[in-house]
Amino acid sequence: GENVEQHPSTLSVQEGDSAVIKCTYSDSASNYFPWYKQELGKRPQLIIDIRSNVGEKKDQRIAVTLNKTAKHFSLHITETQPEDSAVYFCAASKGSGAGSYQLTFGKGTKLSVIP
Amino acid sequence: DGGITQSPKYLFRKEGQNVTLSCEQNLNHDAMYWYRQDPGQGLRLIYYSQIVNDFQKGDIAEGYSVSREKKESFPLTVTSAQKNPTAFYLCASSNQGSGNTIYFGEGSWLTVV
Repeated sequence: GENVEQHPSTLSVQEGDSAVIKCTYSDSASNYFPWYKQELGKRPQLIIDIRSNVGEKKDQRIAVTLNKTAKHFSLHITETQPEDSAVYFCAASKGSGAGSYQLTFGKGTKLSVIP
Repeated sequence: DGGITQSPKYLFRKEGQNVTLSCEQNLNHDAMYWYRQDPGQGLRLIYYSQIVNDFQKGDIAEGYSVSREKKESFPLTVTSAQKNPTAFYLCASSNQGSGNTIYFGEGSWLTVV
């Protein structure tokens, strides 16, 4: 099955700096890659996702890049703010067809933004 | 997100007891899921259901059971066979497979006492 590795496990940045979280996946058939943000004790919430037909997607201060050849994708947060502090999870799935219901998650990155 | 309701939010279980976690959604989603989250770990899939009266095992189904008698409901039973059940349990739903956005409920904390 799919295996998703996420790095780093913890990340501290100064407010205003950029943060980058990287994930690799093992199944070349995966084509859907969402990112979730989870605040302490709360539910994960989707912040951005990307499908394999594009290499990059942006939404204000958040961007995701995808390299299908190398099987890795990254989350970029620019101009970080204290409210960005949370645990971020990447995930991968096939998106359709057999196995598309199995969304495999990385183990998470705890981001701390220091004021 | 507000369309998925989990209950109870906190639950204590004695060893040897079965407990059932409720999950109801009003989003008219076909697919529903149960995930388990342990500290420092990602979310691991327990069971999922694509349509009513059908469900499939995920990566860690042992010691758990589910049913899907109605489209809007997908309860999870944690049986006494689950040796380490203390965790945060998240129910989720989506429109069609994981290729469509998965929405999570607020979660249920289960503690064995």
